[in-house]
Amino acid sequence: SQKIEQNSEALNIQEGKTATLTCNYTNYSPAYLQWYRQDPGRGPVFLLLIRENEKEKRKERLKVTFDTTLKQSLFHITASQPADSATYLCALETDSWGKLQFGAGTQVVVTP
Amino acid sequence: SAVISQKPSRDICQRGTSLTIQCQVDSQVTMMFWYRQQPGQSLTLIATANQGSEATYESGFVIDKFPISRPNLTFSTLTVSNMSPEDSSIYLCSVEPDRGRQETQYFGPGTRLLVL
Repeated sequence: SQKIEQNSEALNIQEGKTATLTCNYTNYSPAYLQWYRQDPGRGPVFLLLIRENEKEKRKERLKVTFDTTLKQSLFHITASQPADSATYLCALETDSWGKLQFGAGTQVVVTP
Repeated sequence: SAVISQKPSRDICQRGTSLTIQCQVDSQVTMMFWYRQQPGQSLTLIATANQGSEATYESGFVIDKFPISRPNLTFSTLTVSNMSPEDSSIYLCSVEPDRGRQETQYFGPGTRLLVL
């Protein structure tokens, strides 16, 4: 069966450092992978999409990599700020109609 | 992009009753989805709401328990029927307004449901 794994332990990081989150998947060959941010009591907010033929994508202080051989995506927050504290979810498309399967998410806590 | 609202934002219900959740989008969209997020868990897709046809349900979810309506391209409802405490969860709708150009889903704020 299809499985998506994200670090379940919260990532505590000091302001200014780089946070790196991992998303591993099995039994998938997704055409693209997405990362979302979710704050408590809110719906997820889209951050980045990376396609299977792309190795890396950047948006401001965010960077995503996608290794289809390792079946892994890494999500980096550089120069982290307390406002980056949230839960980050990876999601893989599971069919051509846009259905997504989400990982459990990794909570990031950035301390001043 | 798309702006999505959900009603109610939260509710406390008694076992055995039903609750209908509304999802309104500020633009016409083809794809609408309903998710459940149980406490401390990630999102699980319940069904895809299709305009003009029956919803497509994921494994483990059935129409009798979660009937869905999609009367037009900007609105959908999800009913949680014959509720039990196990249905306590956050229910979210999402849309993908730009399919074919950008496969991004936009989520509503969610409906927090507590079943006693």
